[in-house]
Amino acid sequence: GESVGLHLPTLSVQEGDNSIINCAYSNSASDYFIWYKQESGKGPQFIIDIRSNMDKRQGQRVTVLLNKTVKHLSLQIAATQPGDSAVYFCAESEGGNTPLVFGKGTRLSVIA
Amino acid sequence: EPEVTQTPSHQVTQMGQEVILRCVPISNHLYFYWYRQILGQKVEFLVSFYNNEISEKSEIFDDQFSVERPDGSNFTLKIRSTKLEDSAMYFCASSRGSGRAARETQYFGPGTRLLVL
Repeated sequence: GESVGLHLPTLSVQEGDNSIINCAYSNSASDYFIWYKQESGKGPQFIIDIRSNMDKRQGQRVTVLLNKTVKHLSLQIAATQPGDSAVYFCAESEGGNTPLVFGKGTRLSVIA
Repeated sequence: EPEVTQTPSHQVTQMGQEVILRCVPISNHLYFYWYRQILGQKVEFLVSFYNNEISEKSEIFDDQFSVERPDGSNFTLKIRSTKLEDSAMYFCASSRGSGRAARETQYFGPGTRLLVL
């Protein structure tokens, strides 16, 4: 079936460096993509989202890039801080209030 | 800032027992969801609920599961006869629900950790 997956299960970065977390998806009908951050023992926390009619969206210190041609999504975190340490999930849906399909997650560790 | 809340935070039960997990979605949201996350695995969709009925459900959501909105604020997930493999984190989520064409962010609660012995 259709699935969302992640290229790297773990990522270690120096504090202050930029982080890039990647995600591949396979559902060509996906219309809406979200990045969530999950800290230990907590629920997924919304970071940023993007619709399929866009290829880039920026938030505070975060940027999401969408390449529909190769079905690839990335999350860029600028000036990574210790508080950014968490597991990051990409999720996709066919839009509206349809169910989210999550990727496996990438653990980001920030080295002080 | 409004948030989704869930109770209890942890639940330990014996195999075969019934459990009810409770959620209070964000107050002006209309769509409600349950997801689960088995330890070390990805988050999986169970069911969505809108206008007092199930909107969509996954293969995981079999006859032992049910959902209910017993009043204007609570949204519950009942597992009738728990199995060992039901041990997981269960997350409730809600979204505003302004239509399929809209971008509808799902906001998640902190989860209930269920352990079936």
